[in-house]
Amino acid sequence: SQQGEEDPQALSIQEGENATMNCSYKTSINNLQWYRQNSGRGLVHLILIRSNEREKHSGRLRVTLDTSKKSSSLLITASRAADTASYFCATDDSGAGSYQLTFGKGTKLSVIP
Amino acid sequence: GAGVSQTPSNKVTEKGKYVELRCDPISGHTALYWYRQSLGQGPEFLIYFQGTGAADDSGLPNDRFFAVRPEGSVSTLKIQRTERGDSAVYLCASSLTDYSPLHFGNGTRLTVT
Repeated sequence: SQQGEEDPQALSIQEGENATMNCSYKTSINNLQWYRQNSGRGLVHLILIRSNEREKHSGRLRVTLDTSKKSSSLLITASRAADTASYFCATDDSGAGSYQLTFGKGTKLSVIP
Repeated sequence: GAGVSQTPSNKVTEKGKYVELRCDPISGHTALYWYRQSLGQGPEFLIYFQGTGAADDSGLPNDRFFAVRPEGSVSTLKIQRTERGDSAVYLCASSLTDYSPLHFGNGTRLTVT
């Protein structure tokens, strides 16, 4: 089953603009991760934020986590055409007893040059 | 170094046939995961190995699906009596330890005709 739900499902922006994607989830978690997937390829890990963290930065990426609302956001600043991809949030259920990530349906980002 | 390798990249089979999908994880990664991704969806968890043993196979949809990792490295996902609904991209991922980010292969696209 899918735990995370990304919003929006699709996003189209001009190069240089910022892109914001949101993720909601249902259970208590240990951490939340964001992955990127180019068409026809596997997923690539972008950033991990732990449940006791509220914000994390990595290069042009900024992730926030609000455990009270069970939501996270991914901000990509100064977008580039190469950022065009699908972005997925993934959570691990802290009560699951084993480490399995549950992915959302993803946000498809198109960056227009 | 080499990433996660999956073979074949594409597999077309007839309904009712048996298929095997292979995954070569990153050397030294003890954890190995299989996920299934349908068009427009996020990956769905199938099975997780820690070393040679299946630590969690709760995501396998039914007893037609089976996976092994006999020497704690290469894994094979086996599907018996394939059905058209099994058509999807099967993704393998490995990680250094539990709770580490996952490294994905490019997947095997299975089409059951």
